[in-house]
Amino acid sequence: TQLLEQSPQFLSIQEGENLTVYCNSSSVFSSLQWYRQEPGEGPVLLVTVVTGGEVKKLKRLTFQFGDARKDSSLHITAAQPGDTGLYLCAGATTSGTYKYIFGTGTRLKVLA
Amino acid sequence: NAGVTQTPKFQVLKTGQSMTLQCAQDMNHNSMYWYRQDPGMGLRLIYYSASEGTTDKGEVPNGYNVSRLNKREFSLRLESAAPSQTSVYFCASTSRRLTNEKLFFGSGTQLSVL
Repeated sequence: TQLLEQSPQFLSIQEGENLTVYCNSSSVFSSLQWYRQEPGEGPVLLVTVVTGGEVKKLKRLTFQFGDARKDSSLHITAAQPGDTGLYLCAGATTSGTYKYIFGTGTRLKVLA
Repeated sequence: NAGVTQTPKFQVLKTGQSMTLQCAQDMNHNSMYWYRQDPGMGLRLIYYSASEGTTDKGEVPNGYNVSRLNKREFSLRLESAAPSQTSVYFCASTSRRLTNEKLFFGSGTQLSVL
């Protein structure tokens, strides 16, 4: 069973602070995706990283895929209350058939 | 464009009752998935269907069955509900025309088993 561990599990910070969320696995993934989920809704894709070592930026969010494609990080600069939500990483496997395994989640709260 | 539609949105069952969660997508996607999400947690894959006519077990398939009725519809059945199946259930789909396509999610079904 593939397992994607996220850390930290919970994070409460003040507006303007920086933070990093980690997503780690012992398995190799063909790609890794980051989603954000609001209460009462399904997750919504933020970004997909495919190549080992790849870095993608989405405004104040920076995503990195590990060189070995086993881990990833999400860095938020100058967090805002609108960043509050549940952040989920998801690894895509191609061993036989496509399936997406989700991480354990990081619940972020940004205080004004 | 409706995307992924799940019904019902809420359901309360007694232990031992059965029910079917319905999911339909109108994006002509090949692959469909059922996940469950427990409070404050990530999503765990129950079953998936890589293409019409195929289904496979995910991480937590015990106590569930699925049917890929056609390309649009993928249903999840609880034959004899247990309190441990209290959760929010999400259906998702993706096209798989390209590698690493994103998942489109429904809005979820909140299920309570008493």
